[in-house]
Amino acid sequence: GQQVMQIPQYQHVQEGEDFTTYCNSSTTLSNIQWYKQRPGGHPVFLIQLVKSGEVKKQKRLTFQFGEAKKNSSLHITATQTTDVGTYFCAENNAGGTSYGKLTFGQGTILTVHP
Amino acid sequence: SQTIHQWPATLVQPVGSPLSLECTVEGTSNPNLYWYRQAAGRGLQLLFYSVGIGQISSEVPQNLSASRPQDRQFILSSKKLLLSDSGFYLCAWSILGHEQFFGPGTRLTVL
Repeated sequence: GQQVMQIPQYQHVQEGEDFTTYCNSSTTLSNIQWYKQRPGGHPVFLIQLVKSGEVKKQKRLTFQFGEAKKNSSLHITATQTTDVGTYFCAENNAGGTSYGKLTFGQGTILTVHP
Repeated sequence: SQTIHQWPATLVQPVGSPLSLECTVEGTSNPNLYWYRQAAGRGLQLLFYSVGIGQISSEVPQNLSASRPQDRQFILSSKKLLLSDSGFYLCAWSILGHEQFFGPGTRLTVL
C-alpha cells in the first residue's frame, strides 16, 4: 500500500532556530494532512493541502505541497518551547470514497532547548 | 460542539486477560470512526475503521476486534491479551473522510 516517508526522525533545536520536517512518497498523493502531538497527548489536526504547489501559513508555520504532489513540508520559523512535540504528515486515502483512511508518516519528534 | 471520549485513560492488564476499550462521540451524527495503536510514542497504525453501525473493516490481522453497536460508540476488544498488545490506543472520528479528531487515548500495559 501507499507509504509516506517522513524525515528527520528527531530534531533538536535551540529556541529561535527554524525547523523543517519533510514527507515524501514514491507515488502521487491525493492530499496531505499535518498533525501535531504534544508529549503525552493525542494528535491534533493542523491543516490539509490538496492542490499541486499549494502553500499555506498559520502564524509561524508554513506548509507546502510539492508541484508533483509527491512531497510536502512543514516549516516552523523561530521555534518556541511550545512547539515541542511530534509532527506527523498523513495521506487521506479518501480515493473517491468517504472512508478517509489516513496513512501516517512515522513523525518527527521536535525538542526545543530554551 | 463535538467531543470524543475514551476510557479508561490508563490500564494495566495481565497477559491472557480480556480487554474492552470504549470510545463515544458527541455532537455529530453518522461519523466515520477509527481505532489506532501507537507504539513507543511514534507512528500511528490504523487497526479498524467503521462507516456505520455494525460495519467494521479490519486493517491488520491481530488479536483484537472492534464493534459499533451504536452510531457514536466504538468498542475495541480482545479475548486474550498478548504482551505485544501494549501501546497507546487512540479513537478518532471524521465526517466524509476529512480531517480526523482524536480522543485522549488509552495507555495499555500488558504484563
